[in-house]
Amino acid sequence: KNEVEQSPQNLTAQEGEFITINCSYSVGISALHWLQQHPGGGIVSLFMLSSGKKKHGRLIATINIQEKHSSLHITASHPRHSAVYICAGYGGATNKLIFGTGTLLAVQP
Amino acid sequence: KAGVTQTPRYLIKTRGQQVTLSCSPISGHRSVSWYQQTPGQGLQFLFEYFSETQRNKGNFPGRFSGRQFSNSRSEMNVSTLELGDSALYLCASSFTSGGTEAFFGQGTRLTVV
Repeated sequence: KNEVEQSPQNLTAQEGEFITINCSYSVGISALHWLQQHPGGGIVSLFMLSSGKKKHGRLIATINIQEKHSSLHITASHPRHSAVYICAGYGGATNKLIFGTGTLLAVQP
Repeated sequence: KAGVTQTPRYLIKTRGQQVTLSCSPISGHRSVSWYQQTPGQGLQFLFEYFSETQRNKGNFPGRFSGRQFSNSRSEMNVSTLELGDSALYLCASSFTSGGTEAFFGQGTRLTVV
């Protein structure tokens, strides 16, 4: 079992839909990152959370420390949101990022 | 402010050769981490350098090594390349070590033939 699990692995949505990607972790972490990766490889850091909620444009990230769970929401999705979304926990004990397997999102116009 | 720069972007090497990849962090950042991304294993941590010292190392063989210079630029080296080393190698820079916000480069796509 991976220490950081994401679901779903693949997601297809119509433009305008509300999207949720989930991330659960089984190890102690001091921070959780949400990353976006477009075809071609470049990774963009979307959010870093240690508690509560953060919002940027149509993207919202939440984390529940007690339940060891985080969600990434996209309100009113757009084709430009099509990408792989990866959550990663920073393990305070191990001092390294532990990555989920990613969620491939395709938003169709 | 310039982002994280990785060179080269693409590389083709033959089995048995060695390769050196370079990462220039954002100005002022002192932590550089390296990651390997493959279709089968996803993203995996290789190592982290902070102020020229290796802070942490992932579960990779000794063929994978790195270093960091006084200007925070970092290099990673892979010796005796194997076909399985074909991957996207990403580096990320942070202001400090310890889980702070990381900024990723575009990566170096290494193909071993």
